[in-house]
Amino acid sequence: SQQGEEDPQALSIQEGENATMNCSYKTSINNLQWYRQNSGRGLVHLILIRSNEREKHSGRLRVTLDTSKKSSSLLITASRAADTASYFCANAPLGNEKLTFGTGTRLTIIP
Amino acid sequence: DARVTQTPRDKVTEMGQEVTMRCQPILGHNTVFWYRQTMMQGLELLAYFRNRAPLDDSGMPKDRFSAEMPDATLATLKIQPSEPRDSAVYFCASARDYYQPQHFGDGTRLSIL
Repeated sequence: SQQGEEDPQALSIQEGENATMNCSYKTSINNLQWYRQNSGRGLVHLILIRSNEREKHSGRLRVTLDTSKKSSSLLITASRAADTASYFCANAPLGNEKLTFGTGTRLTIIP
Repeated sequence: DARVTQTPRDKVTEMGQEVTMRCQPILGHNTVFWYRQTMMQGLELLAYFRNRAPLDDSGMPKDRFSAEMPDATLATLKIQPSEPRDSAVYFCASARDYYQPQHFGDGTRLSIL
């Protein structure tokens, strides 16, 4: 069973707006990762944030991690039509070598 | 850029037939994963290997699924006999090590009639 949950399940915004997705997990982690999946393709790694980090940036992506609340968020700024995809968080539990993927957020950018 | 390669891209076969899916991980990655993705269950880990040794296959139905790494450039996932409930997209992913970012192939879309 999946240990991660993402919120919202689906999100539609206008191009140029910011998109925020949230992720919760249940156990202590080594790191948390975000992936993107375009329709009909495999998942693509976007960003990794370690348990001792609180915020990380990569281009238009900003990830935060709150280990006290066991939650993370992914912010995509100035969204583009090409950002339309499903976004998954995956946590790496301590003592467990397997990533646990969330249920995903389906993001639609309206041109 | 190095990529994980999966074959076949699509497979349609009848119930009871054997299905073999292949994966070429990225050179230098010592950890290989097999996942299954469905609308109902999402992404499920079936099995994974490190340095070609199977570490965990608890996600697989043992009676019909088997996963192997005959060499460092090839991982296989077999289903025998196949059943309609096995219809899904099967992904292979590789990583430099556990906890590291995983690189996914584009999957094998399997349909069992």
